[in-house]
Amino acid sequence: GIQVEQSPPDLILQEGANSTLRCNFSDSVNNLQWFHQNPWGQLINLFYIPSGTKQNGRLSATTVATERYSLLYISSSQTTDSGVYFCAVGYILTGGGNKLTFGTGTQLKVEL
Amino acid sequence: DAGVTQSPTHLIKTRGQQVTLRCSPKSGHDTVSWYQQALGQGPQFIFQYYEEEERQRGNFPDRFSGHQFPNYSSELNVNALLLGDSALYLCASSPTDLASTDTQYFGPGTRLTVL
Repeated sequence: GIQVEQSPPDLILQEGANSTLRCNFSDSVNNLQWFHQNPWGQLINLFYIPSGTKQNGRLSATTVATERYSLLYISSSQTTDSGVYFCAVGYILTGGGNKLTFGTGTQLKVEL
Repeated sequence: DAGVTQSPTHLIKTRGQQVTLRCSPKSGHDTVSWYQQALGQGPQFIFQYYEEEERQRGNFPDRFSGHQFPNYSSELNVNALLLGDSALYLCASSPTDLASTDTQYFGPGTRLTVL
């Protein structure tokens, strides 16, 4: 099956710093999503970005589908950005449907 | 517009018991997927339901089964619980219109503890 690798596995930032999270995947996909999982377990949708670049406030993401990687940028980090960031990829399956394969995540802690 | 809802939020069971988890999809969505997230890992796909049938299945034993109702809500059943079934169970919904983004939206999860 498709492999998804995320780096770094852990990251500690001072409030106000910028960071870049990376997601590498092993095969062509037609779905790539970035999520933030809060301490209560809720997966919050950040971006649906199978290709191209998107921005939402302090967050932006870029996916280069031909090179099989995606980047999530966090600027001016805040303590509320703490949590686990997951990249998940998917493709349309024979018979229909679209399952997501998740990476192992990046654990981010933002300190004052 | 209500998002994906799941019940219960927490559950404690003993080995060998059976459990049923419930999910209501986001309004306008008719496809429901279930994922298992063990501690410290990313979610793993269990199966997906569409038109009241299991459309796709991940690498999980037959002890895991599901159902989808005509109103698109879904249940996940796990029989003969093992200690290793302790996890956060996540439900996700998505529209079937593949011309759309087909983004999956997740519920808050049910945390199952097997003692």
